[in-house]
Amino acid sequence: EAQVTQNPRYLITVTGKKLTVTCSQNMNHEYMSWYRQDPGLGLRQIYYSMNVEVTDKGDVPEGYKVSRKEKRNFPLILESPSPNQTSLYFCASSSSGLAAKNIQYFGAGTRLSVL
Amino acid sequence: TQLLEQSPQFLSIQEGENLTVYCNSSSVFSSLQWYRQEPGEGPVLLVTVVTGGEVKKLKRLTFQFGDARKDSSLHITAAQPGDTGLYLCAGAQGGSEKLVFGKGTKLTVNP
Repeated sequence: EAQVTQNPRYLITVTGKKLTVTCSQNMNHEYMSWYRQDPGLGLRQIYYSMNVEVTDKGDVPEGYKVSRKEKRNFPLILESPSPNQTSLYFCASSSSGLAAKNIQYFGAGTRLSVL
Repeated sequence: TQLLEQSPQFLSIQEGENLTVYCNSSSVFSSLQWYRQEPGEGPVLLVTVVTGGEVKKLKRLTFQFGDARKDSSLHITAAQPGDTGLYLCAGAQGGSEKLVFGKGTKLTVNP
């Protein structure tokens, strides 16, 4: 079954405590991406990756890091979380870039609260 | 400034009614996608349109991409309660793999 798996699903943390949200896909997809979803602001892209070791900034990359050492994994790292990073986060993947007619699969989301 | 403007933001209708959701921009997009998202889940892709003037049908849903590739619409015929959800449009601009989302239209179809 095609899956994008995010962990954890829910996380409460405190300001400044480093955290990592993992994302894994089992479809051998080249393209992976992270989004955050906030009320009134919609979905905004944080980072994306076209392939292993190839990452690029989305619209809201500040305060986040990513890495793509393996094709299947694309972790999102918050080195020093702040309350304004409280949000619902989604990881997504597709076989290749968005310009082509590729289905982008989304994970179930990670709800993060930073106190 | 929101690159993709969706309207209406909220829509509540009765089962059997027709509706149209709009996604507008002053920018040109190389492709535009429509998603539906249900509470507690990630968005699910409904369709991708890439050609200006393109019309795609998915059962009772009709998607249209504007001739100038700056706008799109989603029309639902004879809406059913199962159509309830958040509908999102998202566009990719030429040469970029960045995806920009509209804020979404929250549709409620009452039985």
